[in-house]
Amino acid sequence: GQNIDQPTEMTATEGAIVQINCTYQTSGFNGLFWYQQHAGEAPTFLSYNVLDGLEEKGRFSSFLSRSKGYSYLLLKELQMKDSASYLCAVRGSLYGGATNKLIFGTGTLLAVQP
Amino acid sequence: DVKVTQSSRYLVKRTGEKVFLECVQDMDHENMFWYRQDPGLGLRLIYFSYDVKMKEKGDIPEGYSVSREKKERFSLILESASTNQTSMYLCASSLSLLALAQDSYNSPLHFGNGTRLTVT
Repeated sequence: GQNIDQPTEMTATEGAIVQINCTYQTSGFNGLFWYQQHAGEAPTFLSYNVLDGLEEKGRFSSFLSRSKGYSYLLLKELQMKDSASYLCAVRGSLYGGATNKLIFGTGTLLAVQP
Repeated sequence: DVKVTQSSRYLVKRTGEKVFLECVQDMDHENMFWYRQDPGLGLRLIYFSYDVKMKEKGDIPEGYSVSREKKERFSLILESASTNQTSMYLCASSLSLLALAQDSYNSPLHFGNGTRLTVT
């Protein structure tokens, strides 16, 4: 079967660093995405990894190890506005080489405290 | 910026009613998707479409159908609404991977704001 696991909830302090982990088991692998979703809003795209290693984008970084089926999202200099759900999503086997079908984890709810 | 618009933010329907959820995107994206999001279950794919008039079942298609008559519009239909279809419904669109370099495929999904459907 296909499975994506992430912690359900995390708490961190403003100004600190937090790492949100994601492990996956999918039939095929063609990229991993991280999304941020504030309560009552649509998910918004944060980062994309397809090769092993670290991708950095300002305060946010994402890491991928394909051999371990593992990714993490690193958030630095946490701000109160970073309180949100963080969704890990994997693109497994390509459908007809064209369709962008993603499998989502259940999300990690991050609470940033003063 | 990509804009994905869902016709209703909130809907309340009765059991047995036929329900239409509409989604329009303005970026000429080939791929469109319907997900539902429930607490503890995350986003689950209902149906997707990779071209006009083309549709494929996702992971939970039972009780739903879709229509894609124009590239920009993807409709989700609940033929006979039931209480277990009470949920948040999210539409998304993306470029076809055929439009991208093979070593990249960085084609994120762009989501609408969602329709919270309650079936009573």
